Amino acid sequence: GDSVTQMEGPVTLSEEAFLTINCTYTATGYPSLFWYVQYPGEGLQLLLKATKADDKGSNKGFEATYRKETTSFHLEKGSVQVSDSAVYFCALIQTGANNLFFGTGTRLTVIP
Amino acid sequence: NAGVTQTPKFRVLKTGQSMTLLCAQDMNHEYMYWYRQDPGMGLRLIHYSVGEGTTAKGEVPDGYNVSRLKKQNFLLGLESAAPSQTSVYFCASSWNGMADTQYFGPGTRLTVL
Repeated sequence: GDSVTQMEGPVTLSEEAFLTINCTYTATGYPSLFWYVQYPGEGLQLLLKATKADDKGSNKGFEATYRKETTSFHLEKGSVQVSDSAVYFCALIQTGANNLFFGTGTRLTVIP
Repeated sequence: NAGVTQTPKFRVLKTGQSMTLLCAQDMNHEYMYWYRQDPGMGLRLIHYSVGEGTTAKGEVPDGYNVSRLKKQNFLLGLESAAPSQTSVYFCASSWNGMADTQYFGPGTRLTVL
């Protein structure tokens, strides 16, 4: 069945460091891929998404590229800030399907 | 514009008790969802609704019931709570299907003793 695997956390970085959070998926066909972010005490919110192979989603300095050949959708940011401290979830959905599959989440802490 | 709100924020139940979680959205979204979030696991879909008066089962529906009598509200009920239902519950809504941007509420932390 469809599934998403995220790198285990927690991840602790210093401010202005480079961030990569790995996400790989198992799915048939061409699912849509998402990154959601959950800030402390809040619900999840969409960070970025990509709907087809080689698409790059970007938002707030974060980027992720849909790589069909490696079944990956890694999240990157060139220079993290303290305000980026949150839990990041990778997710996928098949076209026309009725379930959004989430990864287990990766907690990021950015220290000044 | 409050977005998606959930009531209550915290609740402690004893095994066998019942309760209802309320989700409300003010964005006129057609689709609404209930998820549970457990440690070490991603969010899992419990039930969802594609419009007023409709409900459907998600990935983990057992032990839960839902109702969508009004477009803006989606209720999640536990008829006889069990310790396995201890979790954080999130409600979400979207305009045009599950692949559309989902807007989440702040969550309800439920403990069943």
